[in-house]
Amino acid sequence: SQQGEEDPQALSIQEGENATMNCSYKTSINNLQWYRQNSGRGLVHLILIRSNEREKHSGRLRVTLDTSKKSSSLLITASRAADTASYFCATDAYTGANSKLTFGKGITLSVRP
Amino acid sequence: SQTIHQWPATLVQPVGSPLSLECTVEGTSNPNLYWYRQAAGRGLQLLFYSVGIGQISSEVPQNLSASRPQDRQFILSSKKLLLSDSGFYLCAWSRGAPLSGYTFGSGTRLTVV
Repeated sequence: SQQGEEDPQALSIQEGENATMNCSYKTSINNLQWYRQNSGRGLVHLILIRSNEREKHSGRLRVTLDTSKKSSSLLITASRAADTASYFCATDAYTGANSKLTFGKGITLSVRP
Repeated sequence: SQTIHQWPATLVQPVGSPLSLECTVEGTSNPNLYWYRQAAGRGLQLLFYSVGIGQISSEVPQNLSASRPQDRQFILSSKKLLLSDSGFYLCAWSRGAPLSGYTFGSGTRLTVV
């Protein structure tokens, strides 16, 4: 069953604008992760945020986590055409040998040049 | 550095034929290994995961099975394919601990005809 639900399902923006994608989940988590998938390819890990963290940055990416609302957001600043892809949030209730990621359905981001 | 290999990239198989997809990981030992399936326009569904040789956990009842004959080899199989087995199959590995993201293979596009 899917844990994460991303919002919106599709997003189209102009190059240079910021893109904000949201994810909500239902059960307690140990960590939440965001992945990118280019069409027909495997997923690429972008960023991981632990349940005791509220915000994390990596380059042009900023992730927030609100465990009280069971939600996360991914912000891509100064978007580029190369950011066009599907983005997935994934939650993990465990670590170590019991780690199992549960993915949402994804958000399709289109960045217009 | 760690790499993950998954093959074949595409496969067209008739209904009722057997299936064997292979995934191997290099550059690490005792990884957690995962098989996911992605239906068109959908998120990823966890099929199997393994924390060690011969240790397989199934997440959903289905027409597929998995095996881990060696530490860094994970195989997805079926004795008789169904039309509903069509999809994009992704293999992934993780360290489990310390906390890290998953690394995905490039995927196998399976079409059952």
